[in-house]
Amino acid sequence: GAVVSQHPSRVICKSGTSVKIECRSLDFQATTMFWYRQFPKQSLMLMATSNEGSKATYEQGVEKDKFLINHASLTLSTLTVTSAHPEDSSFYICSARLTNEKLFFGSGTQLSVL
Amino acid sequence: KQEVTQIPAALSVPEGENLVLNCSFTDSAIYNLQWFRQDPGKGLTSLLLIQSSQREQTSGRLNASLDKSSGRSTLYIAASQPGDSATYLCAVRGNNDMRFGAGTRLTVKP
Repeated sequence: GAVVSQHPSRVICKSGTSVKIECRSLDFQATTMFWYRQFPKQSLMLMATSNEGSKATYEQGVEKDKFLINHASLTLSTLTVTSAHPEDSSFYICSARLTNEKLFFGSGTQLSVL
Repeated sequence: KQEVTQIPAALSVPEGENLVLNCSFTDSAIYNLQWFRQDPGKGLTSLLLIQSSQREQTSGRLNASLDKSSGRSTLYIAASQPGDSATYLCAVRGNNDMRFGAGTRLTVKP
């Protein structure tokens, strides 16, 4: 089946630094990628929908200036958490859409901001 | 490496029926398990979240159970409606990753 690679799987950083998370579709082209996050003991929630070559669509309550999403090619989307703070510590996961119905997921990134 | 399997891959039922979707996983050391629905062309909608210490969660017509020792979870949908037609995914969260099943495509016929 199709593979989505997400890196890094775990990152620990100091408060105020920026962290970039990559999501790659390895063997297919993904016109749409989704970014999710899950806070401890909470459900996975959609952050934004990323379409190749256009601006991402953010869900209500997600700061677009803080969570920069770049989907510059059909196989790569990046999420940059700018000036990270401890409250941004969360589990982030991406998914890529192969067809209108099938989603494939990265394995996630655990971000810990000290 | 955690493996998540969902059975059946597809299910078609008449409106009003109660139904059960199954999810099994190979590593019982999990953090939580979630059930989602996915509608065509869209992302995921979270339905139920079960923490590793819990056995079940209920929301409206939905009930999800978790048996870690046997590596199983079920999603029970009562009195199904055509609007329930979607793909249902289960996802198992470990310490550092999350693994998804391939999904069950549910069709509820009017």
